[in-house]
Amino acid sequence: KAGVTQTPRYLIKTRGQQVTLSCSPISGHRSVSWYQQTPGQGLQFLFEYFSETQRNKGNFPGRFSGRQFSNSRSEMNVSTLELGDSALYLCASSLAWGADTQYFGPGTRLTVL
Amino acid sequence: EDKVVQSPLSLVVHEGDTVTLNCSYEVTNFRSLLWYKQEKKAPTFLFMLTSSGIEKKSGRLSSILDKKELFSILNITATQTGDSAIYLCAVDTGTASKLTFGTGTRLQVTL
Repeated sequence: KAGVTQTPRYLIKTRGQQVTLSCSPISGHRSVSWYQQTPGQGLQFLFEYFSETQRNKGNFPGRFSGRQFSNSRSEMNVSTLELGDSALYLCASSLAWGADTQYFGPGTRLTVL
Repeated sequence: EDKVVQSPLSLVVHEGDTVTLNCSYEVTNFRSLLWYKQEKKAPTFLFMLTSSGIEKKSGRLSSILDKKELFSILNITATQTGDSAIYLCAVDTGTASKLTFGTGTRLQVTL
């Protein structure tokens, strides 16, 4: 069974631009969560989607948004990029909303110049 | 504010040594504690613990949870260079923060 896939793997953007990251969960998994990982803050929860609805949201500004499609694939969007948004963005899938075990994708490394 | 603290922050050991990694937590609501290993990019799932005192074991790795004292340990016996990684502890609080992670313990196993 294929794992979680994320595209692109690497991105370089400049301040003020916007970016869209994509995540395809493990087949059969319906919940997708997004995390930001930085050296200083570690892994921080962004949001979780299940059945095309945002179920949970972490403490990030409104510039960070996401959505989920009917096939469970999810996208995350960051608008008006700031230098501090440079991070590894990880997507994790789980069977259902509330399922404890999450399986992570390889991440998208975003660099904002 | 929910908090997960891991110690030590980093550790260098020789192949064959046994290591113990610590994870303590202070959360308003506890559902489970998870351990992940992160080598290059994607954290890979190791264990999920929900009950106190029940050891989970997988090969040379084992983990146990103490819900009274609010901590967990991850043991690795007979370490190998392939164990070199960052080990992450996370608590599922079942709230908006879904999984609250510690900053991790960086383990380096040398020959």
